[in-house]
Amino acid sequence: KAGVTQTPRYLIKTRGQQVTLSCSPISGHRSVSWYQQTPGQGLQFLFEYFSETQRNKGNFPGRFSGRQFSNSRSEMNVSTLELGDSALYLCASSFVAIGVGQYFGPGTRLTVT
Amino acid sequence: SQQGEEDPQALSIQEGENATMNCSYKTSINNLQWYRQNSGRGLVHLILIRSNEREKHSGRLRVTLDTSKKSSSLLITASRAADTASYFCATPLGGGAQKLVFGQGTRLTINP
Repeated sequence: KAGVTQTPRYLIKTRGQQVTLSCSPISGHRSVSWYQQTPGQGLQFLFEYFSETQRNKGNFPGRFSGRQFSNSRSEMNVSTLELGDSALYLCASSFVAIGVGQYFGPGTRLTVT
Repeated sequence: SQQGEEDPQALSIQEGENATMNCSYKTSINNLQWYRQNSGRGLVHLILIRSNEREKHSGRLRVTLDTSKKSSSLLITASRAADTASYFCATPLGGGAQKLVFGQGTRLTINP
């Protein structure tokens, strides 16, 4: 079974631009979560989607948004990029519930200049 | 805010030695999970221990959970160079346990 895939793997953007990251979960997994990892703040939960519905959201500004498609693939979007948005963005999937262990993708390294 | 805090932040040992990492958390949990992250990559789920379990083993990994002290430990026995990584504890929070909250992690270095 293929693992969680994320595209692109690396991205460089300029302040003020917007970016869309993509995540394809493991086949059959319906829950997709997104995390931001930075040296200062560590791993922080962004949001979780299940069956195209956002079930939970972390403490991030509205510039961070996401969605999930009927095939469980998910995208997250960050608008009006700031330097502080530079981070590793990780996507994780699980079959139903987030609390039983998640499978993570390799991440997208976003650099904002 | 972080649910878990890990100790030590960094650990350096010789190959073959055992490595112990500790995690403390603040609120009641259903389970606690440990993950490994190799430099700048995705996380790998290592082991999950439920709140009604006190100890769990998986290969060279041994996890303990003390809910009265709100703490957990991860022991890696007979360490190998390939164990060099960051290790995170995580707890599911939120209604329906829909939010996974991570500790700051322990950076483990195994010296050959």
